[in-house]
Amino acid sequence: EADIYQTPRYLVIGTGKKITLECSQTMGHDKMYWYQQDPGMELHLIHYSYGVNSTEKGDLSSESTVSRIRTEHFPLTLESARPSHTSQYLCASRRTENTEAFFGQGTRLTVV
Amino acid sequence: SQKIEQNSEALNIQEGKTATLTCNYTNYSPAYLQWYRQDPGRGPVFLLLIRENEKEKRKERLKVTFDTTLKQSLFHITASQPADSATYLCALSSGTYKYIFGTGTRLKVLA
Repeated sequence: EADIYQTPRYLVIGTGKKITLECSQTMGHDKMYWYQQDPGMELHLIHYSYGVNSTEKGDLSSESTVSRIRTEHFPLTLESARPSHTSQYLCASRRTENTEAFFGQGTRLTVV
Repeated sequence: SQKIEQNSEALNIQEGKTATLTCNYTNYSPAYLQWYRQDPGRGPVFLLLIRENEKEKRKERLKVTFDTTLKQSLFHITASQPADSATYLCALSSGTYKYIFGTGTRLKVLA
């Protein structure tokens, strides 16, 4: 079982609300990722972090922001949620660029 | 643009048979290729990694091949079981942080 945790698992929220999706790992990995996945579709990289105080945007444009103040914590924030943000958000970490990725259970977000 | 193609249609096979899943890629020179398993509503779980200079990798009932000439990887599950039913994703990296994932192939093993 991977030591990477996401909370909440499910979230239903109204349009315009600010939300933060939490992701924590206890493996000491420097590389952390956020992916967005719609049902039956591929994972799209939306944010990436090399390590503390290092974040980059991924291939898929996203209105979310991330921070990396501690190695183990990589939260994702939506300042103003919209229905188009409805999706599953997956957090992952890996030790180096070319080792296996460990994924969290995901947060299924619904914006109404 | 870089593209990964996996069978979009579900693959149904009988228990005990070998399942073979395909991952084709274009406009890409991957250094590493990984296979993951994903169950509904959950995050992917890593299965195998194969490097560009490796032809084949095995782990228990799993086997992966990597043909950089054909730009293709095959993923085999021998003696398949109903518990193997899931979506299987391939992911490629050129050696950087950026992994491109395929859409996955849904496998159903019939008892």
